[in-house]
This record gives sequence, structure tokens and C-alpha cells, in this order.
Amino acid sequence: EVQLLESGGGLVQPGGSLRLSCAASGFTFSSYAMSWVRQAPGKGLEWVSSISGSDGGTYYADSVKGRFTISRDTSKNTLYLQMNSLRADDTAIYYCAKQIGGSYSSRLFDYWGQGTLVTVSS
Amino acid sequence: DIQMTQSPSSLSASVGDRVTITCRASQTIGTFLNWYQQTPGKAPKVLIFGASSLQSGVPSRFSGSGSGTDFTLTISSLQPEDFATYYCQQSYNPPPTFGHGTEVEIK
Repeated sequence: EVQLLESGGGLVQPGGSLRLSCAASGFTFSSYAMSWVRQAPGKGLEWVSSISGSDGGTYYADSVKGRFTISRDTSKNTLYLQMNSLRADDTAIYYCAKQIGGSYSSRLFDYWGQGTLVTVSS
Repeated sequence: DIQMTQSPSSLSASVGDRVTITCRASQTIGTFLNWYQQTPGKAPKVLIFGASSLQSGVPSRFSGSGSGTDFTLTISSLQPEDFATYYCQQSYNPPPTFGHGTEVEIK
């Protein structure tokens, strides 16, 4: 059974940093592209970042480019999102999502974690 | 970026009703259109991929259709567990983009 378990969310001041983690199990982690998708309170879904399973390529939404870094540790089956220079509009639930294929081009999210809440406020 | 427009933004329906939600893409996306269901406090779950293919384990009362720019999600007979918010998402061009959601409420 595929499981994705996020952690690392919390309250942070504007300009601060946070690192999210997503522990994966139930599938061959290194073979699949993985993504972060966020949802601001009461709002819709916004893709944030992806990392390819095939070549480790990374991709970012314009809204987070230069501030967020996605990475993965295949020895620990864990996905990360390092978030720097956080702003109030980064406040959201952050979901870790598995893509159906190894490449970023497989932009269908077939499994999602339960999410972790990031609140950016002074 | 490809913009996805859903309508309506919300609807009220009764158990047993047939419900239709539409999604329009700002440019042609072939059949690279996916539908997700999100119940309150839960993560999204994929229902339909490739515009019309039912994800494993999803009840057959859900169906999808369309190609190009116009797509439809249909629930043939609404069940109590179907009251949720539904999102379309295009997987044709990066970045992947979602519609703003359609909330299906109990009448």
C-alpha cells in the first residue's frame, strides 16, 4: 500500500525558513517523479514543485522559484521541500504527491499525503 | 500557463441526482485532463485521468468526457459520500494547473 507522510510544518515568521519532509513507502520511490502541491486556507490547489525520478531534474512554480528547493533521499525514501524567504502568501497546507511515472511529464498525481500546514505570520 | 475554468463554482443537489461539472482549458490540451475529489479535511483523490479513464477503485457512477478544450465530469446518481469539492487539472503542458474547484453541497 502506498503511503506518504508529511511532516515539518508549523508557524514561521515572514522571511523565515522551514523544511518539509515526506516519508514514502509501498512503492519503488526512486522510480517515480514526486511533487509538492499546496492549498491556501479555503482555496484551490496549486502545484509548487516536482522532482523527476528518472534524472533528478527539478521544476518550480514561478511563485516559489529561487526561494524553495525540492530534493529527495532515495536511501531514506524521503522527499523534501526547503522553503526560504517565506511570505504570508505561502501559508497553506502542503501536500506531497506521487506522480504516475518517472518523468516530470507524467503530470498526474495518483497518491497524496495527508498534508502539513505551514503558517507564515508575525 | 494554461488556465482551467470550472463551472459552476458550487451546486446543491440531492442524493440520487445526476450531476454535471464542466471544465474549460484556455488552449487545447487533447485528453490530458484529470479530475480529483476532495472531501473536507482530506487530501485530493484522483477519479478520472486522460479525460475519461476511471481510476482503479472509483465507482462507475463517475464518468468523464471531452477533448480539446471542453470537458465534463458526470456523477450519474449522487451518493452521500460524493458531497465534496471537485477539481480538474491539465497535464498537457507544464506547469500542471488546476481549476478553482466545484463544491457539491447537499440540497
